[in-house]
Amino acid sequence: AQSVSQHNHHVILSEAASLELGCNYSYGGTVNLFWYVQYPGQHLQLLLKYFSGDPLVKGIKGFEAEFIKSKFSFNLRKPSVQWSDTAEYFCAVKPHNNNDMRFGAGTRLTVKP
Amino acid sequence: GAGVSQSPSNKVTEKGKDVELRCDPISGHTALYWYRQSLGQGLEFLIYFQGNSAPDKSGLPSDRFSAERTGGSVSTLTIQRTQQEDSAVYLCASSLLAPPLAEQYFGPGTRLTVT
Repeated sequence: AQSVSQHNHHVILSEAASLELGCNYSYGGTVNLFWYVQYPGQHLQLLLKYFSGDPLVKGIKGFEAEFIKSKFSFNLRKPSVQWSDTAEYFCAVKPHNNNDMRFGAGTRLTVKP
Repeated sequence: GAGVSQSPSNKVTEKGKDVELRCDPISGHTALYWYRQSLGQGLEFLIYFQGNSAPDKSGLPSDRFSAERTGGSVSTLTIQRTQQEDSAVYLCASSLLAPPLAEQYFGPGTRLTVT
């Protein structure tokens, strides 16, 4: 069965540090990939998505993610985090041929001011 | 405009009772998903509605779970004979088109606790 792995459960960084959150999935077919963010007390919202084309995807708030097909990875990056980036981040994968959208367990990011 | 709303926000029920959870999607959104998030877990897909098509129920964990979407709008998730392992946050999301063509908008969730 397909699965999504987020290896870091909790990441703590200081402001201005660089961020990379790992996401790996197990599915052999064509997929669409997503990163969602949940700020404290708010709903899940879309950060960015990979649909097709350029594997380097830019999203809101300076985030980007790179799809590496050979590694089944879609890591999220930001060169310089801010205190306001403190949130929980979820990676999600949707196979092209069905509706089953799979989410990772999430990574909690704490940015210290 | 209004986002996705869910009710109730919290529900505590006794084991064995039935519960109904409601989702009001954004007006005009044809696609609707239900997910479950257990403590420390990612979101688990439960069911997907797209327009007037038959729903994709492949994620429902048992026959105690069912969902319907009346008139292509409001959706109700029903859990019969609740068990303690059903305790979780149940999230609803809607989108204008089938993902990934359009962004999913999530509701605030219903926290279900089965005692």
